Amino acid sequence: GNSVTQMEGPVTLSEEAFLTINCTYTATGYPSLFWYVQYPGEGLQLLLKATKADDKGSNKGFEATYRKETTSFHLEKGSVQVSDSAVYFCALRDQPSNLNEKLTFGTGTRLTIIP
Amino acid sequence: DSGVTQTPKHLITATGQRVTLRCSPRSGDLSVYWYQQSLDQGLQFLIQYYNGEERAKGNILERFSAQQFPDLHSELNLSSLELGDSALYFCASSVGGETYEQYFGPGTRLTVT
Repeated sequence: GNSVTQMEGPVTLSEEAFLTINCTYTATGYPSLFWYVQYPGEGLQLLLKATKADDKGSNKGFEATYRKETTSFHLEKGSVQVSDSAVYFCALRDQPSNLNEKLTFGTGTRLTIIP
Repeated sequence: DSGVTQTPKHLITATGQRVTLRCSPRSGDLSVYWYQQSLDQGLQFLIQYYNGEERAKGNILERFSAQQFPDLHSELNLSSLELGDSALYFCASSVGGETYEQYFGPGTRLTVT
């Protein structure tokens, strides 16, 4: 079955540091890939997505590139801010021909940014 | 604000009891998904409804059931509650079909004592 392996946390960085959170997946074919963010006490918000190989998703300074050859979708940001402190989830959804719309999530990575 | 609403926000109940969680999807969305977030299991898909019909089932216990009503809101019923059912329950909605984004509600935190 499908699975997502995410970098173990927690991750603590100083403000303006470079961020990478690793995510690799196991799935057949060409799944769609997502990053969701969960701020304290809130639900999950879609951060970015990519639906085919070599696509780059980006939003709010965050980027992730769908790498089919390494089955990866690493999240990056060039300069983090205190407000980026949250839990980040990598997720995948099966390719359309599999008629399976559920999201499979990684375990989440807690990010704390210190001023 | 995702446009998905969930009530109640918090629920505290005793073992053996039954509760109902409610979800209203974003305007225009036909699909509703339920997920459970717990410390030991992480985020797990429970069940999906599309336009009133069950479309997919995940790791949902037999004690749990759901339905989607003609106005597209959905309810998740949890019965014979156990301590291990304590978790955050999220509802998500999407247009369905070729549109992949699922938008999540704020969740209902269930505590079973």
